[in-house]
Amino acid sequence: DGGITQSPKYLFRKEGQNVTLSCEQNLNHDAMYWYRQDPGQGLRLIYYSQIVNDFQKGDIAEGYSVSREKKESFPLTVTSAQKNPTAFYLCASGTSRYEQYFGPGTRLTVT
Amino acid sequence: AQKVTQAQTEISVVEKEDVTLDCVYETRDTTYYLFWYKQPPSGELVFLIRRNSFDEQNEISGRYSWNFQKSTSSFNFTITASQVVDSAVYFCALSEAGGGSQGNLIFGKGTKLSVKP
Repeated sequence: DGGITQSPKYLFRKEGQNVTLSCEQNLNHDAMYWYRQDPGQGLRLIYYSQIVNDFQKGDIAEGYSVSREKKESFPLTVTSAQKNPTAFYLCASGTSRYEQYFGPGTRLTVT
Repeated sequence: AQKVTQAQTEISVVEKEDVTLDCVYETRDTTYYLFWYKQPPSGELVFLIRRNSFDEQNEISGRYSWNFQKSTSSFNFTITASQVVDSAVYFCALSEAGGGSQGNLIFGKGTKLSVKP
């Protein structure tokens, strides 16, 4: 089946630990995105990548890092520098026609 | 600056009622795209519709319809004869065609729709 997968669905970490969220797509999309969603809020863009080996910061990139070594994969690392990492993280991939398709999300809880 | 405003935080209706979700946007670009997404309790965002700024035709898809009016910078979404399965958070989003952030979406804060049986 074509789609976007994110794993795991729920993730728990201790404060001070880095954690990497997985995002894979088999839609052959060039562009991939990471968003963060907090309760009662819309989505905010963390990082995006329009092509392999290239990515740009979004609106709230501080405390996060990404890589784009393969077209299909765009992992997000939440570092210990991120002050409020507990949130719902959504990955998306897009076509050149500005349509973005979203994965099921990963709910990260840091205590 | 680009911005999307969904003034209705929560709406509650009874099944079979019609309901309209409002979306007002701000952009300086002449070419842009507007979107609606549905987020059910499972969390995944489901794409509903995309419109470009040159196409003001209203669109109907089953019980869903969209009213795009450039004069008022609005892109409202109506659900006719609502059903319990329509209960979700609905997001309106804007993407500008120009600049280095092509394709990036600016989201409103969402409207939570509850449809009661």
